[in-house]
Amino acid sequence: GEDVEQSLFLSVREGDSSVINCTYTDSSSTYLYWYKQEPGAGLQLLTYIFSNMDMKQDQRLTVLLNKKDKHLSLRIADTQTGDSAIYFCAESPNQAGTALIFGKGTTLSVSS
Amino acid sequence: EPEVTQTPSHQVTQMGQEVILRCVPISNHLYFYWYRQILGQKVEFLVSFYNNEISEKSEIFDDQFSVERPDGSNFTLKIRSTKLEDSAMYFCASSGLAGTNEQFFGPGTRLTVL
Repeated sequence: GEDVEQSLFLSVREGDSSVINCTYTDSSSTYLYWYKQEPGAGLQLLTYIFSNMDMKQDQRLTVLLNKKDKHLSLRIADTQTGDSAIYFCAESPNQAGTALIFGKGTTLSVSS
Repeated sequence: EPEVTQTPSHQVTQMGQEVILRCVPISNHLYFYWYRQILGQKVEFLVSFYNNEISEKSEIFDDQFSVERPDGSNFTLKIRSTKLEDSAMYFCASSGLAGTNEQFFGPGTRLTVL
């Protein structure tokens, strides 16, 4: 079945760039998403990318998609302590109302 | 900004009891979902709901689970006879008709079954 894998932890210094990686197996995935979960809070949609795109930039966030290798990454420029959270990669086919398949999440720890 | 809300934030129950988790999706959304996250594990899809019926469900969503939209605003998840392994964070989400399938999540209800 479909699977999404992520590394579990990433530790960076404030001001550095963070790169969180994700791999997925479902070749029919059309949309790939990044969600952020702060302690005690729900899942906040950060950004998404359509599978016919290679890159999407949104302020400090850059998403790169390598569809051939089924590899997705989220780069956070100038990482701040407020970026400390769990980041989830998720995928879905191109259809409203379908289930999102999530990875286990990457815990980003930012030290000052 | 519109958001998904969930109540209660924490529910403690005894094994075998029924629980109802409540959600108010974003008002103009048409698709509603329940997911759960057992501590330390992945967020798992349970069920999606559209036009007053279940549109998709996972293997987890067995006969012990049911969903309902009792009025124009609430969306509920009922667990008939809770088990210890039902202890998890339950997230409600909603989405519109856009093909991007952007789903907006509530803050979750932590269910503890003793």
